[in-house]
Amino acid sequence: AQTVTQSQPEMSVQEAETVTLSCTYDTSESDYYLFWYKQPPSRQMILVIRQEAYKQQNATENRFSVNFQKAAKSFSLKISDSQLGDAAMYFCAVDDKIIFGKGTRLHILP
Amino acid sequence: ETGVTQSPTHLIKTRGQQVTLRCSSQSGHNTVSWYQQALGQGPQFIFQYYREEENGRGNFPPRFSGLQFPNYSSELNVNALELDDSALYLCASSLSAGGSLDTQYFGPGTRLTVL
Repeated sequence: AQTVTQSQPEMSVQEAETVTLSCTYDTSESDYYLFWYKQPPSRQMILVIRQEAYKQQNATENRFSVNFQKAAKSFSLKISDSQLGDAAMYFCAVDDKIIFGKGTRLHILP
Repeated sequence: ETGVTQSPTHLIKTRGQQVTLRCSSQSGHNTVSWYQQALGQGPQFIFQYYREEENGRGNFPPRFSGLQFPNYSSELNVNALELDDSALYLCASSLSAGGSLDTQYFGPGTRLTVL
């Protein structure tokens, strides 16, 4: 069975600073995909970034990047130059049926 | 906005009743997945439909059922509602059954309250 663990229920970061959200997972699949989703207070879940496990290069999308450690089954999200609009619940997820972690609520401090 | 819509936005039912939730996928998306998100939790996978056939199911009882229609709409039906069914129900559409290969686009959800 696939599992996803997000060990930080809440985090806070000053505006313009950098923050890293942690995620570990477990899967028996040899090839899989990993995702970070953002769910703002309006509730609509949107994809932030995704990583294909067979690719060694870490994915980046503008201010968002991941640190993917396949052997350690770790998939952290780094947000650079944090903005007020980044405040949301962030969910780490694995594979196509999308197994989600419990989320990290990120607060941006002005 | 993702182009995925859900109705209704909110719904209140009593225990034992039946409910139907609706989702309209992005045009051209032949795969839809449904998730249950309890308060303060991550979404849990209920099932996925690909070209109108069930294509995978999570750990949910048979009283949770679904339909997908050729016009990119879909339904989630829940029979014999229980108090623990109170949650936000999300649908997500994607271009293919291999959801890993294509981004899933989520709707805003339906908040179901069971009294």
